[in-house]
Amino acid sequence: QQQVKQSPQSLIVQKGGISIINCAYENTAFDYFPWYQQFPGKGPALLIAIRPDVSEKKEGRFTISFNKSAKQFSLHIMDSQPGDSATYFCAASKDTGNQFYFGTGTSLTVIP
Amino acid sequence: GAGVSQTPSNKVTEKGKYVELRCDPISGHTALYWYRQSLGQGPEFLIYFQGTGAADDSGLPNDRFFAVRPEGSVSTLKIQRTERGDSAVYLCASSLRGKSYNEQFFGPGTRLTVL
Repeated sequence: QQQVKQSPQSLIVQKGGISIINCAYENTAFDYFPWYQQFPGKGPALLIAIRPDVSEKKEGRFTISFNKSAKQFSLHIMDSQPGDSATYFCAASKDTGNQFYFGTGTSLTVIP
Repeated sequence: GAGVSQTPSNKVTEKGKYVELRCDPISGHTALYWYRQSLGQGPEFLIYFQGTGAADDSGLPNDRFFAVRPEGSVSTLKIQRTERGDSAVYLCASSLRGKSYNEQFFGPGTRLTVL
Protein backbone atom coordinates (compact mmCIF):
# COMPACT_ATOMS: atom_id res chain seq x y z
CA GLN A 1 0.00 0.00 0.00
CA GLN A 2 0.99 3.64 -0.36
CA GLN A 3 3.32 4.40 2.55
CA VAL A 4 3.13 8.16 2.04
CA LYS A 5 -0.11 9.84 0.97
CA GLN A 6 0.11 13.19 -0.80
CA SER A 7 -2.48 15.81 -1.68
CA PRO A 8 -3.62 17.61 -3.71
CA GLN A 9 -2.89 15.88 -7.01
CA SER A 10 -2.74 19.23 -8.76
CA LEU A 11 -2.61 22.84 -7.67
CA ILE A 12 -2.97 26.16 -9.48
CA VAL A 13 -1.71 29.29 -7.73
CA GLN A 14 -1.41 32.91 -8.78
CA LYS A 15 2.05 34.44 -8.91
CA GLY A 16 2.93 35.76 -5.47
CA GLY A 17 0.55 33.39 -3.70
CA ILE A 18 1.28 30.59 -1.26
CA SER A 19 1.37 26.98 -2.46
CA ILE A 20 0.67 24.30 0.14
CA ILE A 21 1.15 20.57 -0.40
CA ASN A 22 0.33 18.02 2.28
CA CYS A 23 1.61 14.55 3.08
CA ALA A 24 0.73 11.94 5.67
CA TYR A 25 2.41 8.72 6.74
CA GLU A 26 1.69 5.79 9.04
CA ASN A 27 5.07 4.23 9.78
CA THR A 28 6.47 5.78 12.95
CA ALA A 29 9.91 4.39 12.07
CA PHE A 30 10.30 7.04 9.37
CA ASP A 31 12.86 9.61 10.46
CA TYR A 32 13.74 11.61 7.37
CA PHE A 33 11.30 13.53 5.19
CA PRO A 34 12.60 15.15 1.99
CA TRP A 35 10.71 17.06 -0.65
CA TYR A 36 11.76 16.64 -4.26
CA GLN A 37 11.01 18.89 -7.24
CA GLN A 38 10.77 17.40 -10.71
CA PHE A 39 10.61 19.20 -14.06
CA PRO A 40 9.42 17.39 -17.19
CA GLY A 41 12.10 15.11 -18.62
CA LYS A 42 14.33 15.51 -15.58
CA GLY A 43 15.01 13.44 -12.50
CA PRO A 44 13.74 14.59 -9.11
CA ALA A 45 15.98 17.10 -7.29
CA LEU A 46 16.08 17.63 -3.54
CA LEU A 47 14.35 20.83 -2.49
CA ILE A 48 14.35 20.72 1.30
CA ALA A 49 14.28 18.02 3.99
CA ILE A 50 13.41 17.69 7.67
CA ARG A 51 14.00 15.26 10.51
CA PRO A 52 11.33 14.72 13.17
CA ASP A 53 13.22 16.43 15.97
CA VAL A 54 12.09 19.85 14.67
CA SER A 55 8.62 21.10 13.76
CA GLU A 56 9.61 23.51 11.02
CA LYS A 57 12.44 24.12 8.60
CA LYS A 58 12.75 27.10 6.30
CA GLU A 59 15.03 27.63 3.34
CA GLY A 60 14.37 30.79 1.39
CA ARG A 61 10.78 30.70 0.10
CA PHE A 62 10.34 27.01 1.01
CA THR A 63 9.17 25.83 4.43
CA ILE A 64 8.43 22.36 5.76
CA SER A 65 5.98 22.10 8.64
CA PHE A 66 6.11 18.82 10.54
CA ASN A 67 3.52 17.45 12.96
CA LYS A 68 4.91 14.30 14.54
CA SER A 69 1.81 13.45 16.59
CA ALA A 70 -0.46 13.73 13.55
CA LYS A 71 2.10 12.02 11.30
CA GLN A 72 1.75 14.78 8.76
CA PHE A 73 4.10 17.18 7.04
CA SER A 74 3.59 19.88 4.48
CA LEU A 75 5.51 22.06 2.04
CA HIS A 76 4.76 25.76 1.85
CA ILE A 77 6.05 27.80 -1.07
CA MET A 78 5.84 31.51 -0.33
CA ASP A 79 5.65 34.14 -3.07
CA SER A 80 5.14 31.42 -5.68
CA GLN A 81 6.73 32.12 -9.07
CA PRO A 82 6.04 30.73 -12.56
CA GLY A 83 9.45 29.05 -12.39
CA ASP A 84 8.17 26.99 -9.46
CA SER A 85 5.77 25.22 -11.83
CA ALA A 86 6.80 21.57 -11.52
CA THR A 87 5.79 18.31 -9.87
CA TYR A 88 6.56 18.03 -6.18
CA PHE A 89 7.04 14.76 -4.34
CA CYS A 90 7.19 14.21 -0.62
CA ALA A 91 9.10 11.18 0.60
CA ALA A 92 10.05 9.37 3.78
CA SER A 93 12.74 6.94 4.84
CA LYS A 94 13.84 4.95 7.85
CA ASP A 95 17.29 5.12 9.39
CA THR A 96 17.47 1.33 9.26
CA GLY A 97 16.54 1.27 5.60
CA ASN A 98 17.79 3.09 2.60
CA GLN A 99 14.93 3.42 0.18
CA PHE A 100 12.74 6.47 -0.10
CA TYR A 101 8.98 5.97 -0.09
CA PHE A 102 7.55 8.64 -2.37
CA GLY A 103 4.12 10.22 -2.46
CA THR A 104 2.16 10.26 -5.71
CA GLY A 105 3.17 13.82 -6.56
CA THR A 106 1.51 17.24 -6.89
CA SER A 107 1.56 19.09 -10.18
CA LEU A 108 1.94 22.80 -9.36
CA THR A 109 1.13 25.49 -11.89
CA VAL A 110 1.87 29.10 -11.00
CA ILE A 111 -0.05 31.52 -13.20
CA PRO A 112 1.73 34.82 -14.05
CA GLY B 1 30.94 18.36 -11.35
CA ALA B 2 29.06 15.79 -13.36
CA GLY B 3 25.79 14.48 -12.02
CA VAL B 4 24.25 11.05 -12.36
CA SER B 5 23.99 10.02 -15.98
CA GLN B 6 21.81 7.34 -17.53
CA THR B 7 21.87 5.74 -20.93
CA PRO B 8 20.00 5.41 -23.13
CA SER B 9 17.59 8.27 -22.51
CA ASN B 10 14.90 6.40 -24.42
CA LYS B 11 14.53 2.73 -25.22
CA VAL B 12 11.80 1.19 -27.33
CA THR B 13 11.64 -2.58 -27.45
CA GLU B 14 9.24 -5.34 -28.32
CA LYS B 15 7.49 -7.57 -25.85
CA GLY B 16 9.68 -10.53 -24.92
CA LYS B 17 12.99 -8.83 -25.65
CA TYR B 18 15.89 -8.28 -23.24
CA VAL B 19 17.03 -4.76 -22.29
CA GLU B 20 19.90 -3.25 -20.34
CA LEU B 21 19.79 0.19 -18.76
CA ARG B 22 22.98 1.86 -17.58
CA CYS B 23 23.66 4.24 -14.71
CA ASP B 24 26.84 6.24 -14.05
CA PRO B 25 26.68 7.59 -10.49
CA ILE B 26 28.47 10.62 -9.12
CA SER B 27 32.13 9.83 -8.59
CA GLY B 28 32.84 8.76 -5.02
CA HIS B 29 29.25 7.88 -4.17
CA THR B 30 29.16 4.45 -2.61
CA ALA B 31 25.39 4.04 -2.57
CA LEU B 32 23.35 3.55 -5.75
CA TYR B 33 19.60 3.13 -6.12
CA TRP B 34 17.24 2.16 -8.91
CA TYR B 35 13.66 3.38 -8.94
CA ARG B 36 10.82 2.98 -11.42
CA GLN B 37 8.41 5.83 -12.12
CA SER B 38 5.14 5.14 -13.87
CA LEU B 39 3.16 7.94 -15.46
CA GLY B 40 1.61 10.20 -12.85
CA GLN B 41 3.22 8.36 -9.95
CA GLY B 42 6.11 8.87 -7.60
CA PRO B 43 9.33 6.88 -7.97
CA GLU B 44 9.06 3.32 -6.67
CA PHE B 45 12.13 1.67 -5.13
CA LEU B 46 13.64 -1.31 -6.93
CA ILE B 47 17.11 -2.02 -5.55
CA TYR B 48 19.92 -0.46 -3.51
CA PHE B 49 23.65 -1.12 -3.82
CA GLN B 50 26.25 -0.35 -1.21
CA GLY B 51 29.53 -0.72 -3.05
CA THR B 52 29.40 -3.78 -5.28
CA GLY B 53 26.75 -5.67 -3.37
CA ALA B 54 22.98 -5.43 -3.55
CA ALA B 55 22.11 -4.50 0.03
CA ASP B 56 18.36 -4.44 -0.58
CA ASP B 57 16.60 -5.86 -3.63
CA SER B 58 13.17 -6.08 -2.05
CA GLY B 59 11.64 -3.76 -4.63
CA LEU B 60 12.41 -5.87 -7.69
CA PRO B 61 8.97 -6.95 -8.96
CA ASN B 62 9.97 -10.45 -10.13
CA ASP B 63 12.90 -12.54 -11.29
CA ARG B 64 12.86 -10.96 -14.76
CA PHE B 65 14.57 -7.95 -13.19
CA PHE B 66 18.24 -8.07 -12.19
CA ALA B 67 20.87 -5.43 -11.50
CA VAL B 68 24.64 -5.49 -11.13
CA ARG B 69 27.36 -3.11 -10.02
CA PRO B 70 30.54 -5.16 -10.50
CA GLU B 71 33.15 -2.51 -9.72
CA GLY B 72 31.19 -0.38 -7.29
CA SER B 73 30.54 2.46 -9.71
CA VAL B 74 28.54 1.91 -12.92
CA SER B 75 25.39 -0.15 -12.55
CA THR B 76 23.27 -1.98 -15.12
CA LEU B 77 19.60 -2.84 -14.68
CA LYS B 78 18.66 -5.86 -16.77
CA ILE B 79 15.13 -6.82 -17.71
CA GLN B 80 14.44 -10.16 -19.36
CA ARG B 81 11.37 -11.10 -21.39
CA THR B 82 10.01 -7.58 -21.24
CA GLU B 83 6.28 -7.05 -20.84
CA ARG B 84 4.12 -4.06 -21.73
CA GLY B 85 3.65 -3.39 -18.02
CA ASP B 86 7.39 -2.76 -17.70
CA SER B 87 6.96 0.49 -19.62
CA ALA B 88 8.02 3.32 -17.30
CA VAL B 89 10.85 5.75 -16.59
CA TYR B 90 13.68 4.00 -14.78
CA LEU B 91 15.54 6.37 -12.48
CA CYS B 92 18.95 5.89 -10.96
CA ALA B 93 20.16 7.80 -7.91
CA SER B 94 23.38 7.87 -5.94
CA SER B 95 24.37 9.15 -2.53
CA LEU B 96 27.62 9.60 -0.70
CA ARG B 97 26.76 6.86 1.78
CA GLY B 98 23.76 4.63 2.26
CA LYS B 99 22.23 6.54 5.15
CA SER B 100 18.61 7.61 5.06
CA TYR B 101 19.48 11.30 5.52
CA ASN B 102 22.10 11.39 2.78
CA GLU B 103 20.73 13.24 -0.23
CA GLN B 104 19.98 11.01 -3.16
CA PHE B 105 20.96 12.63 -6.47
CA PHE B 106 18.82 11.44 -9.34
CA GLY B 107 19.69 11.01 -12.98
CA PRO B 108 17.34 12.08 -15.79
CA GLY B 109 16.03 8.55 -16.22
CA THR B 110 15.62 6.10 -19.07
CA ARG B 111 12.16 6.01 -20.62
CA LEU B 112 11.42 2.38 -21.50
CA THR B 113 8.57 1.62 -23.89
CA VAL B 114 7.62 -2.01 -24.49
CA LEU B 115 5.47 -2.45 -27.58
